[in-house]
Amino acid sequence: NAGVMQNPRHLVRRRGQEARLRCSPMKGHSHVYWYRQLPEEGLKFMVYLQKENIIDESGMPKERFSAEFPKEGPSILRIQQVVRGDSAAYFCASSPLPGGRDSPLHFGNGTRLTVT
Amino acid sequence: SQKIEQNSEALNIQEGKTATLTCNYTNYSPAYLQWYRQDPGRGPVFLLLIRENEKEKRKERLKVTFDTTLKQSLFHITASQPADSATYLCALDSDSSYKLIFGSGTRLLVRP
Repeated sequence: NAGVMQNPRHLVRRRGQEARLRCSPMKGHSHVYWYRQLPEEGLKFMVYLQKENIIDESGMPKERFSAEFPKEGPSILRIQQVVRGDSAAYFCASSPLPGGRDSPLHFGNGTRLTVT
Repeated sequence: SQKIEQNSEALNIQEGKTATLTCNYTNYSPAYLQWYRQDPGRGPVFLLLIRENEKEKRKERLKVTFDTTLKQSLFHITASQPADSATYLCALDSDSSYKLIFGSGTRLLVRP
């Protein structure tokens, strides 16, 4: 049973380009979460999605960032017109139930985005 | 807003000793607390969850305590091994149970 798969593992983009980060949850998991980790800082919640629905995007910057989890295919985190401050590790997690006390999160190994 | 503090200094101990890591929080009363392990270049891996009405939880060589009066959780690894070397993260639920707030982690180094 494969774990949460994220790709690419490393992504380099120039300022102003678009970054697309993909996440395939564990089999049977319909709840997906994206977290961002800056160096020496804790993971910060960005967005929580279920199939075809955004449940909570309160951690997403209002501009340039969007996320989706279509009926078929992986979840996508999209960052338009990247800036140097977007450089970070982006982690996707999934759970079979809404994450929390009854359903801890399973994380992927992240995508490390570098903006030059 | 909720705040979590973990010791930013690395904990360096001898193999076989017990490692004790601390997680303090303020401005909140979480319903549960989780501990994760993170290795360099990898994602966090879930270890243990403890609920607000539980004082202690054990799993093999791991033990977690949760003191809601002190607003503190302690994470113990007994008979530590070099393979236990990693960064350990604590996480609390927030105003939404699915949204975790993570500490910045404490790095553990176990010397052979």
